Amino acid sequence: NAGVTQTPKFQVLKTGQSMTLQCAQDMNHEYMSWYRQDPGMGLRLIHYSVGAGITDQGEVPNGYNVSRSTTEDFPLRLLSAAPSQTSVYFCASSHHLSGTETPLAKNIQYFGAGTRLSVL
Amino acid sequence: DQQVKQNSPSLSVQEGRISILNCDYTNSMFDYFLWYKKYPAEGPTFLISISSIKDKNEDGRFTVFLNKSAKHLSLHIVPSQPGDSAVYFCAASAYQWRAGGTSYGKLTFGQGTILTVHP
Repeated sequence: NAGVTQTPKFQVLKTGQSMTLQCAQDMNHEYMSWYRQDPGMGLRLIHYSVGAGITDQGEVPNGYNVSRSTTEDFPLRLLSAAPSQTSVYFCASSHHLSGTETPLAKNIQYFGAGTRLSVL
Repeated sequence: DQQVKQNSPSLSVQEGRISILNCDYTNSMFDYFLWYKKYPAEGPTFLISISSIKDKNEDGRFTVFLNKSAKHLSLHIVPSQPGDSAVYFCAASAYQWRAGGTSYGKLTFGQGTILTVHP
């Protein structure tokens, strides 16, 4: 049972380079999201998607691009890497709730193991 | 503006004693609260949650308390074990309803508290 899989685990980029962080889940979750973790800042939401073809911005979207062409995959693109994007990136997924379900029932976000990115 | 705050960056506790981790929030629209635990080089894992309609939820050694009037929640771990040493994040969500009757919850996280349990 893979859950949420992120690749690569580590990456070093030079300023100005572009790259894509991959995220895949095998739980048929509708909701997927990207966070970055920085010291003293906790986890901050970058972008999220409520289903294939639907994405929206989170708290810190600048410099990142996303698309959701399938339910399973939610890649995060860095268009022109900057040192400020040095961070640990986490992808997460969860089910939607139907109208009669309560959050306590099952709307828990499951996280991948993270990608540690350094931009020099 | 940080809507969810964990004001203690770290907490050190002796094995067998109680660990109390605290979290404050400012957004009164939050209606669901969660605690996640994170070990080094791993992603956060869900620990326990509470709905805003409750003031306590218990799961084994872990209990979460919610004080809505104070906009404060806490996680109690009793008894604490060395394996509990990790970073603990509190998170809050305000549920968004979509056309078609489904909902999803964007999570807002606190900064995290590093818990160290000494043998």
